[in-house]
Amino acid sequence: QKEVEQDPGPLSVPEGAIVSLNCTYSNSAFQYFMWYRQYSRKGPELLMYTYSSGNKEDGRFTAQVDKSSKYISLFIRDSQPSDSATYLCAMLETGANNLFFGTGTRLTVIP
Amino acid sequence: DTAVSQTPKYLVTQMGNDKSIKCEQNLGHDTMYWYKQDSKKFLKIMFSYNNKELIINETVPNRFSPKSPDKAHLNLHINSLELGDSAVYFCASSQMTGFEETQYFGPGTRLLVL
Repeated sequence: QKEVEQDPGPLSVPEGAIVSLNCTYSNSAFQYFMWYRQYSRKGPELLMYTYSSGNKEDGRFTAQVDKSSKYISLFIRDSQPSDSATYLCAMLETGANNLFFGTGTRLTVIP
Repeated sequence: DTAVSQTPKYLVTQMGNDKSIKCEQNLGHDTMYWYKQDSKKFLKIMFSYNNKELIINETVPNRFSPKSPDKAHLNLHINSLELGDSAVYFCASSQMTGFEETQYFGPGTRLLVL
């Protein structure tokens, strides 16, 4: 079993829809949870960063962490065609440098 | 201003050759990384350096050798290239700020081994 599991998609939604992206993990020592956005032929760009459990909101993006279920989510409200990209979740143990990535979910927002 | 830069952006070479990829960060970060992204977009860490010292060395063939001449640079040298080495290689850097650590990625180097 991989440390981090993520549905690769692809996921297509109409413009304006709410998008839900999810990852599950097996390592209970993970404390830091990140979401990266990667446009085609570009490097991953950090979107959201959460420590431990809870919610974090930034504009149209909301990150949720449920440590009891080992489940994290990224919600995108009012999705835009410019949100079309691959979204990768990543996780880190406290004091460690080794980021574990999901495989990424490819999202297409159709105008 | 490019925070993390890599050269070259594209590299096409033949099996058996030796090649290097260079990475530089101007963020003043202490830690730098090399990741390999395969055709399925899966990102896997290869190496991590902190203040020029190797701290992570995942299961990577010893044909891959990182070199950090100073804190701002982490180069990746690959000997005897194989077809399976074809991938996108990303450099990243990070700095712990309190309890937070964010990693900044370079644009990637697309390596194609023929």
